[in-house]
Amino acid sequence: DAGITQSPRHKVTETGTPVTLRCHQTENHRYMYWYRQDPGHGLRLIHYSYGVKDTDKGEVSDGYSVSRSKTEDFLLTLESATSSQTSVYFCAIRYWNGSYEQYFGPGTRLTVT
Amino acid sequence: KQEVTQIPAALSVPEGENLVLNCSFTDSAIYNLQWFRQDPGKGLTSLLLIQSSQREQTSGRLNASLDKSSGRSTLYIAASQPGDSATYLCAASNTGNQFYFGTGTSLTVIP
Repeated sequence: DAGITQSPRHKVTETGTPVTLRCHQTENHRYMYWYRQDPGHGLRLIHYSYGVKDTDKGEVSDGYSVSRSKTEDFLLTLESATSSQTSVYFCAIRYWNGSYEQYFGPGTRLTVT
Repeated sequence: KQEVTQIPAALSVPEGENLVLNCSFTDSAIYNLQWFRQDPGKGLTSLLLIQSSQREQTSGRLNASLDKSSGRSTLYIAASQPGDSATYLCAASNTGNQFYFGTGTSLTVIP
C-alpha cells in the first residue's frame, strides 16, 4: 500500500470558479501524476512531477496548473472550471518494484455545473 | 510516445470460459507494460507488470504476455468467474517516467 489519499473525493462546483484537488502520499515517492478519466478516452495525463518544484505537462494540460512544494503533496488546480473539466481525476505515484510501476489513488469525482 | 489500443471495447463471456484481452502499442522500444483492473466507480488495481526483458508473467489465473516485435500484449484469464467482471486497462511505458493508457476492455462474465 503506497498510502495515497485524494481530497476531496467528490466535488460539485460552478463554471468559472477555481478548484484545487489534493493528492497526498506517505512514502516519499519522487514521481507523482495527475490523470483524468473520461468515457471513451481512458486515462490521460494532465501533469506530472519528478520532485519538489519540478513539474511537467502531459497531453491535456490546458486549463490546469500544478504545484508541489512538499514531497508528499501534489496539488492540481483548475484555474477557472469549465463543464468540459467534469471528470474523474486520479493521482498516481511511481515506485520501484524491480521495475517502475504506478500505484493509483482512489480518485476524485468532479462535476462542473 | 506510445499509442495504446485495446480491442474490443467490451466483451461478454459465460462463466468458466478462458479468455484473452488484447493490448497493442506502437513503439517496440518499450520499458514495461502494466495491466490494471478497474471496478465501476473505483480506482485502478495493478494486476501484472511485464518488463521489456520478459515474455510473460503469471499470477494465479492470470497470465500476461509481451511481444515487443509485434507491439502486442495479451492478458489471459483462465476459468473466468463473475467476480472477474470489470474493466481491464493496459499501460505502456518507454522510459519508466511516463505511462500511456489504452481505453480499456469492459469484461462481463455471465453466471
